[in-house]
Amino acid sequence: DQQVKQNSPSLSVQEGRISILNCDYTNSMFDYFLWYKKYPAEGPTFLISISSIKDKNEDGRFTVFLNKSAKHLSLHIVPSQPGDSAVYFCAASGTDKLIFGTGTRLQVFP
Amino acid sequence: EPEVTQTPSHQVTQMGQEVILRCVPISNHLYFYWYRQILGQKVEFLVSFYNNEISEKSEIFDDQFSVERPDGSNFTLKIRSTKLEDSAMYFCASSRRTGDQETQYFGPGTRLLVL
Repeated sequence: DQQVKQNSPSLSVQEGRISILNCDYTNSMFDYFLWYKKYPAEGPTFLISISSIKDKNEDGRFTVFLNKSAKHLSLHIVPSQPGDSAVYFCAASGTDKLIFGTGTRLQVFP
Repeated sequence: EPEVTQTPSHQVTQMGQEVILRCVPISNHLYFYWYRQILGQKVEFLVSFYNNEISEKSEIFDDQFSVERPDGSNFTLKIRSTKLEDSAMYFCASSRRTGDQETQYFGPGTRLLVL
């Protein structure tokens, strides 16, 4: 069941630059999308979400873009900071459960 | 800021034993969830719970699993007879309401190791 995919297992970005994490989905019934950040041995921490009626949502350094026709969303972090280094999961919801992607490990180096 | 808490943080058990994982959801939340993450794999939905009954469950959530809200604050996941493949991180989550674009907030997880 690959309804939500994150095709890049890892990403390395220099501090201060933009990090772009991508996510694709297949189920057109999904109407709410979320990004979570996760450190090892901790639970997912909510970052930002977007409803399917919007194409952009911004919160501080984090912006999520949704392209419904392409069934694609992306998370932009700008500027990237070393503390952003973690695994980032996108998740989609159409009912009361979340379907998670496999995650992208972001490393921000000085 | 309110948060979801889980106990224990780690649990080691023998195959065939029963385990109970405990969660205290955020106090004004009404919808509760269990997810798990096997090492190296994605986070998977197990079950959702509202108004003292299961509202949705996955194929993983078979007869060996049960959930309960024994009082006004705790939400538990019981595995009756653990198998080696139950070894995983188990996450509890809660939200104010279901679907309808409502964020789920996760606890720190319980690492279960079945020997």
